[in-house]
Amino acid sequence: GAVVSQHPSWVICKSGTSVKIECRSLDFQATTMFWYRQFPKQSLMLMATSNEGSKATYEQGVEKDKFLINHASLTLSTLTVTSAHPEDSSFYICSAPSTGPSNQPQHFGDGTRLSIL
Amino acid sequence: GQQVMQIPQYQHVQEGEDFTTYCNSSTTLSNIQWYKQRPGGHPVFLIQLVKSGEVKKQKRLTFQFGEAKKNSSLHITATQTTDVGTYFCAGSGNTPLVFGKGTRLSVIA
Repeated sequence: GAVVSQHPSWVICKSGTSVKIECRSLDFQATTMFWYRQFPKQSLMLMATSNEGSKATYEQGVEKDKFLINHASLTLSTLTVTSAHPEDSSFYICSAPSTGPSNQPQHFGDGTRLSIL
Repeated sequence: GQQVMQIPQYQHVQEGEDFTTYCNSSTTLSNIQWYKQRPGGHPVFLIQLVKSGEVKKQKRLTFQFGEAKKNSSLHITATQTTDVGTYFCAGSGNTPLVFGKGTRLSVIA
């Protein structure tokens, strides 16, 4: 079945560091990928929709300059948390629909646990 | 904007008891999907419902989509410890998927 790979799984870094998270579709092409943030024991909060070859669409309240998204190919989207601070610590997870429309069943990456000291 | 409400937030059951989680949308949905997230894991797609009044079963799990395509439910018969996790519904109208807040199921052996 469709697989989405997310890397790294864990990141611990100092405040002020920029962190890049990669999301790859391994056996299918994804023109659209989604980035979510999940706080402990809470739901998935959609941060942005990553569109291959064009600008990402950010949800209300998500800082574009803080969370940079690049979708340079049909199999790779990256999320860069710039100048990360402790409040950015969270579980970040990406997803992609394995078939066409973006509202179809999603395949999720394993997620990235980000801890900013 | 579209909202998807899910209840209950938590459910603790004895092993062998049944469990149901409910999902309601503020707007008519084109489809509804259900996901399961085990503790420490990522959401895994369970099923998609598309038709009004549709009912689908997966072993002990029964999924329903309401006639008006605005609500859905997931029912687990005779829960087992392997059912532990958070169950999310996700609906779509003309927007990207909107996830409910999830129902966290605990099963006491």
